[in-house]
Amino acid sequence: EAEVAQSPRYKITEKSQAVAFWCDPISGHATLYWYRQILGQGPELLVQFQDESVVDDSQLPKDRFSAERLKGVDSTLKIQPAELGDSAMYLCASSSDLRVGYEQYFGPGTRLTVT
Amino acid sequence: DQQVKQNSPSLSVQEGRISILNCDYTNSMFDYFLWYKKYPAEGPTFLISISSIKDKNEDGRFTVFLNKSAKHLSLHIVPSQPGDSAVYFCAASQNTGFQKLVFGTGTRLLVSP
Repeated sequence: EAEVAQSPRYKITEKSQAVAFWCDPISGHATLYWYRQILGQGPELLVQFQDESVVDDSQLPKDRFSAERLKGVDSTLKIQPAELGDSAMYLCASSSDLRVGYEQYFGPGTRLTVT
Repeated sequence: DQQVKQNSPSLSVQEGRISILNCDYTNSMFDYFLWYKKYPAEGPTFLISISSIKDKNEDGRFTVFLNKSAKHLSLHIVPSQPGDSAVYFCAASQNTGFQKLVFGTGTRLLVSP
């Protein structure tokens, strides 16, 4: 069964350092999402791609976060510099279509701890 | 501003009984609602959805009810099984041309044998 792959699964970094997460969506899925889930809360959308284009990045803290999907397949989310408040689970999801009603498939996530 | 609320952080139910998980929303523009289930160390998995033109959707042991006037939806699991023990997230979206999910804070369900 096709799955969304994410790496690393766990990352510990010191504040002010740079950190990057990678996501490989289900093959053929044009839509890719990055979410952040703080402990005790639900996932919050950071950025959404359709192929290589950003559809929505209104909740992405652009002063320190960046995301790219250069070839419209896999994607990288970067934080520079990391802050203590960035400690969270970062989830990637993909979908065959960006419209309402199309299921989003989530990866296992990357748990980030900033010390 | 929490647009999707799950006021019960946890719920305990005995195997075979009904589990009822509740969700409230404040944005009247939401017109599509979903439930996701999450096991530890895994990403959320889609469970069931409902469009605002319906008030009920059923899939096996899972039924979602939508009360638009009360801005409330609920997930019923009958009968509950120990394997249903997980965190359940309610999510909502409005039809702006693309799907943008807003999640609740989740309810941890524990089904005991």
